[in-house]
Amino acid sequence: DAKTTQPTSMDCAEGRAANLPCNHSTISGNEYVYWYRQIHSQGPQYIIHGLKNNETNEMASLIITEDRKSSTLILPHATLRDTAVYYCIGGGGADGLTFGKGTHLIIQP
Amino acid sequence: DTEVTQTPKHLVMGMTNKKSLKCEQHMGHRAMYWYKQKAKKPPELMFVYSYEKLSINESVPSRFSPECPNSSLLNLHLHALQPEDSALYLCASSHLTGLNIQYFGAGTRLSVL
Repeated sequence: DAKTTQPTSMDCAEGRAANLPCNHSTISGNEYVYWYRQIHSQGPQYIIHGLKNNETNEMASLIITEDRKSSTLILPHATLRDTAVYYCIGGGGADGLTFGKGTHLIIQP
Repeated sequence: DTEVTQTPKHLVMGMTNKKSLKCEQHMGHRAMYWYKQKAKKPPELMFVYSYEKLSINESVPSRFSPECPNSSLLNLHLHALQPEDSALYLCASSHLTGLNIQYFGAGTRLSVL
């Protein structure tokens, strides 16, 4: 799996867009970028994934740079319930996920 | 239904006890996983089952014994654990495709006394 680097923590005001960056410069051409989040004392929750193109679903948008060395997860209108640790993971296939330290996103009221 | 159910939610056991953690999914997933998560740390992979066969064992001590009796169930048998094994144990499942979208249970919080 690709090694990923994320900021340790970030703050965002409620109602604003939260932009979470991730560097994955070692990702290989066939490896996807996945984002998961873990709300306190719960299991991780899948958010979104992408390979080359930008992606959007009901939870978030994923912007992947053209060289695929970094990506940004966007939560368009953050709420207090979005406070969680967000993990960016590079990989593929049905192997286990290799979690890095993630970003602790705190949504401020 | 994207639910993975883990039981029990909490477990306290002594170092000489034998206990089991259970995980169940009905999404037709043929890959199932056990992770261990210590406080304020990310989850760490322990085991992977593919088509009910153990495919990955991340050098886990033998006091942890996984079992996959059928495609919907995953057990983790515990015996002679140490206090440092206290952690949140997470189960996940996924399809066996090129994607690795895993669905996680809420976990079992284990305390070893």
